[in-house]
Amino acid sequence: SHELTQPPSVSVSPGQTARITCSGDALANRYTHWYQQKSGQAPVLVMYKDDERPSGIPERFSGSSSGTTVTLTISGVQAEDEADYYCQSADNSAPYYVFGTGTKVTVL
Amino acid sequence: EVQLVESGGGLVKPGGSLRLSCAASGFTFSSYSMNWVRQAPGKGLEWVSSISSSSSYIYYADSVKGRFTISRDNAKNSLYLQMNSLRAEDTAVYYCARVRGGYYGELSFDYWGQGTLVTVSS
Repeated sequence: SHELTQPPSVSVSPGQTARITCSGDALANRYTHWYQQKSGQAPVLVMYKDDERPSGIPERFSGSSSGTTVTLTISGVQAEDEADYYCQSADNSAPYYVFGTGTKVTVL
Repeated sequence: EVQLVESGGGLVKPGGSLRLSCAASGFTFSSYSMNWVRQAPGKGLEWVSSISSSSSYIYYADSVKGRFTISRDNAKNSLYLQMNSLRAEDTAVYYCARVRGGYYGELSFDYWGQGTLVTVSS
């Protein structure tokens, strides 16, 4: 099945670098996208097609891909980056869209 | 400015029905595929259903297939989700989301509504 695995939590001090991984066999041949969801808010797309940043997303957010693992990196973490982060990929057969298990980023 | 505004959520008994709506503005609605994504309390995101721009292609998650029906009215810039035979496990915030991208391998959700809460309980 098409499953995407993320670490449940990542803790980082302000100004440091947070790396969030997303792993899945299917990621070797399709793009991965990332969403940030702050408490009580709707998700926001922060990275698409592995490493492309939507307009309005700070440059400290970057993405990379290697084989079956994709990484969202937040450089120089700020308090406002504290949120849940979800990866997502799509397929041309069921279940069509899959989200990762989610990672809670805590800024210490 | 792209806006997606959901409505229609509420409290419903198990076995009941509810119809969610999503009003779109700020973009050419008829040119985009749209989706419903839900999030149970304290849980992660779960894709529910997808509809192509002209309603030619419709897909459902296995968890809702046969109970939920997605539809759209391009003349009214609106997306709908008819939910029947509701179960406690359908309790969630339901988001409508716009799809960006060309082929399946690059599809993502670039705009989301604020969500509407559906609670299924007796």
